Amino acid sequence: IVLTQTPLSSPVTLGQPASISCRSSQSLVHSDGVTYLSWLHQRPGQPPRLLIYKISNRISGVPDRFSGSGAGTDFTLRISRVEAEDVGVYYCMQVMQYPLTFGGGTKVEIK
Amino acid sequence: EVKLLESGGGLVQPGGSLRLSCAASGFTFSTYAMSWVRQAPGKGLEWVSVITNSGDWTHYADSVKGRFTISRDNSKNMLSLQMNSLKAEDTAVYYCAKDASDYGHNCGWDCWGQGTLVTVSS
Repeated sequence: IVLTQTPLSSPVTLGQPASISCRSSQSLVHSDGVTYLSWLHQRPGQPPRLLIYKISNRISGVPDRFSGSGAGTDFTLRISRVEAEDVGVYYCMQVMQYPLTFGGGTKVEIK
Repeated sequence: EVKLLESGGGLVQPGGSLRLSCAASGFTFSTYAMSWVRQAPGKGLEWVSVITNSGDWTHYADSVKGRFTISRDNSKNMLSLQMNSLKAEDTAVYYCAKDASDYGHNCGWDCWGQGTLVTVSS
């Protein structure tokens, strides 16, 4: 399964929203009816961190300015008001079937 | 505190072997599936391998199948990755990661180590 993220880079002003798109080459709806699409964030020099699972569920401790949406093959991660700590690269990943695959990443940077 | 600490990375010649280890602490290791994920310098993430909590099932990316072997020792809270017939394209930071099964299955990984760098070069 190929995941395509857009944009590759997203310069944003602090306090402004940001949006990242992830498109899958096939539906991520499992036979159990659940869609296994997750989002991760990687700050420079750090390991990735899981933010959101099953499209829209935030991991404990993830601020509510992060939200996920979408269905089928098209998904979006939104940051309602970007803060300085949000810089880095965001990846979508599909956990529906092996091999697990990631999008190419979207770099969020402050203008 | 949940911690994962990788070790064993380094410089190896093409065709050589290396064994990575990941020491887990702060959680019941034997309860969770574990994975290895790698990241080539300046590149994105690539899933490498997974092992169930009991170690009775494993799976590999096509790029490493037949060359890499994942294993675990639940008595020692240790995850390992034996890497043979290494190629230049295996050069990457290798992360071990804990399955986020507390949130349900197929969610990803909610804890990652800091990674260990493997460089394959002559």
